Amino acid sequence: EAQVTQNPRYLITVTGKKLTVTCSQNMNHEYMSWYRQDPGLGLRQIYYSMNVEVTDKGDVPEGYKVSRKEKRNFPLILESPSPNQTSLYFCASSLWGYNEQFFGPGTRLTVL
Amino acid sequence: AQSVAQPEDQVNVAEGNPLTVKCTYSVSGNPYLFWYVQYPNRGLQFLLKYITGDNLVKGSYGFEAEFNKSQTSFHLKKPSALVSDSALYFCAVRDGTSGTYKYIFGTGTRLKVLA
Repeated sequence: EAQVTQNPRYLITVTGKKLTVTCSQNMNHEYMSWYRQDPGLGLRQIYYSMNVEVTDKGDVPEGYKVSRKEKRNFPLILESPSPNQTSLYFCASSLWGYNEQFFGPGTRLTVL
Repeated sequence: AQSVAQPEDQVNVAEGNPLTVKCTYSVSGNPYLFWYVQYPNRGLQFLLKYITGDNLVKGSYGFEAEFNKSQTSFHLKKPSALVSDSALYFCAVRDGTSGTYKYIFGTGTRLKVLA
């Protein structure tokens, strides 16, 4: 089944404790992206990647890191999480940068 | 600056009536426009897109959208609403700046279809 998977689905952590949210797609898509969803703000793009080793900032990249070492994986790294990063995070992929995106199920992160 | 506006936080419509969810945008270059739907406790699903061609785009679940270049709008429509259409709808546009593949999403419109 074609899908985007994210892990973990739920995470509660404390300020400053480094964490990684994994994202994987099995559709051989070139483009992958991370978004955060907050009430009243909709979805905001954090980072995106056009290909292996090619990443670029979205609208809200501060406090996040990404890497794209393999085509299928695009992990999101929070080196020192803070409470304002409490949010619902979505990973997405598309064939190219101008196609419709397929979204993962989301990761609900709470930073205390 | 590139932007997307969904002016209504919520739209209520009776089952069987036509529905419209509004979206306006501001981007440089040619717009790549999308609609996505989010059902409760689910991820987002693609509904339809406009890249080029006919201004009226047909998508999944009987939805369609009309691209209006002069009004910079891309409103989502359906002739006859179903209770199961109740969900959160997002309009999105690809940033038209050359060399970038950023996406800007609207704040979302909650559609409530009343039986």
